[in-house]
Amino acid sequence: KNEVEQSPQNLTAQEGEFITINCSYSVGISALHWLQQHPGGGIVSLFMLSSGKKKHGRLIATINIQEKHSSLHITASHPRDSAVYICAVRGYGGSQGNLIFGKGTKLSVKP
Amino acid sequence: NAGVTQTPKFRVLKTGQSMTLLCAQDMNHEYMYWYRQDPGMGLRLIHYSVGEGTTAKGEVPDGYNVSRLKKQNFLLGLESAAPSQTSVYFCASSLGLGQRVVETQYFGPGTRLLVL
Repeated sequence: KNEVEQSPQNLTAQEGEFITINCSYSVGISALHWLQQHPGGGIVSLFMLSSGKKKHGRLIATINIQEKHSSLHITASHPRDSAVYICAVRGYGGSQGNLIFGKGTKLSVKP
Repeated sequence: NAGVTQTPKFRVLKTGQSMTLLCAQDMNHEYMYWYRQDPGMGLRLIHYSVGEGTTAKGEVPDGYNVSRLKKQNFLLGLESAAPSQTSVYFCASSLGLGQRVVETQYFGPGTRLLVL
């Protein structure tokens, strides 16, 4: 079983729709990240969460530590939001740098 | 600032050939990482470094070696390339504060490697 599961794998939406991408994990974590991979391949960090909720523009990320679950929401989606969204978690102990990544959710927003 | 850069962007190798991928960052970050990304799989950590002169193995280190002779550079070497090493390779870096790493990682644009 993968330690980080994302759903859905693929998502197609119409411009303006509210979008939710889910991430579930099976290990205890010290932090959870959401990243965006552009169609050209570049990867950008969006959020780092250890509790609660964060908002940046039209993006909102939430985490429920007890349920081992996080969601990434996009309000008023736009075609430029089309990308792969990746969830990653960092556990306790071990090396400083070890993030465990989900397989990503490919989002396509149609005009 | 250029951020994190990777050289080359694309390379084709024959089985058994060797090559070195270069990652450079100009943000004075202590921590650097090499990942590979394969279809249908998440990013996987190959090797990482927590400072100049130090390296450590990640999840999938076999067939790769690394060196961090200068703080700004992190080299990934393939001594004898195999078709299973066909992948997209990403370098990343993050800031350290004393004994603690600042979580946000900054990624390079990736190197696409094809081993025939």
